[in-house]
Amino acid sequence: DVKVTQSSRYLVKRTGEKVFLECVQDMDHENMFWYRQDPGLGLRLIYFSYDVKMKEKGDIPEGYSVSREKKERFSLILESASTNQTSMYLCASSLSRAGVGEQFFGPGTRLTVL
Amino acid sequence: AQSVTQLGSHVSVSEGALVLLRCNYSSSVPPYLFWYVQYPNQGLQLLLKYTSAATLVKGINGFEAEFKKSETSFHLTKPSAHMSDAAEYFCAVSAPKAAGNKLTFGGGTRVLVKP
Repeated sequence: DVKVTQSSRYLVKRTGEKVFLECVQDMDHENMFWYRQDPGLGLRLIYFSYDVKMKEKGDIPEGYSVSREKKERFSLILESASTNQTSMYLCASSLSRAGVGEQFFGPGTRLTVL
Repeated sequence: AQSVTQLGSHVSVSEGALVLLRCNYSSSVPPYLFWYVQYPNQGLQLLLKYTSAATLVKGINGFEAEFKKSETSFHLTKPSAHMSDAAEYFCAVSAPKAAGNKLTFGGGTRVLVKP
């Protein structure tokens, strides 16, 4: 089974802090994704990566950056956390461009910014 | 460009009754379609997927969905609701062979099951 793990289930940070959310997948998937989930808004794509060191902006990249130095690891960075970044963050991975696009999700990190 | 619309952000059903969750999509290419379920404080889990084979797709936990191209729909059903079906359900469409194989998600439908 594909396993996607996220470094924390719950995180509390203060406004202005730099925040790192880590995601690791163990199935050699090419594609990795970061979403945020808010009530009534569904999942919104922040960034994705289809190869090591490659990244593409999603629908809501403002205030975020990402890093993918190794194929299995995709990090989301909040350079200066703000209260409006309080949310559930979900990481996902999928096999490759040749696949059907099925994504496998981690358990999520619920981030609270005070 | 793709989009997904889920009709009804909340659905309430009685235990044993039919569950019907509606999903309509738009896509400029033949789509792949997915239903995911999310239980409280968990990530998303795949229920079923349509990949241009049979139009009636069976998934886990007794769920199934039918792809109707003429109606651009992919509605999810389960004949008899169980208390354990209480969760949020997301419909999604992908762009086959596009870089990153992104999914576009609907807004989700939260299902409440009444005893």
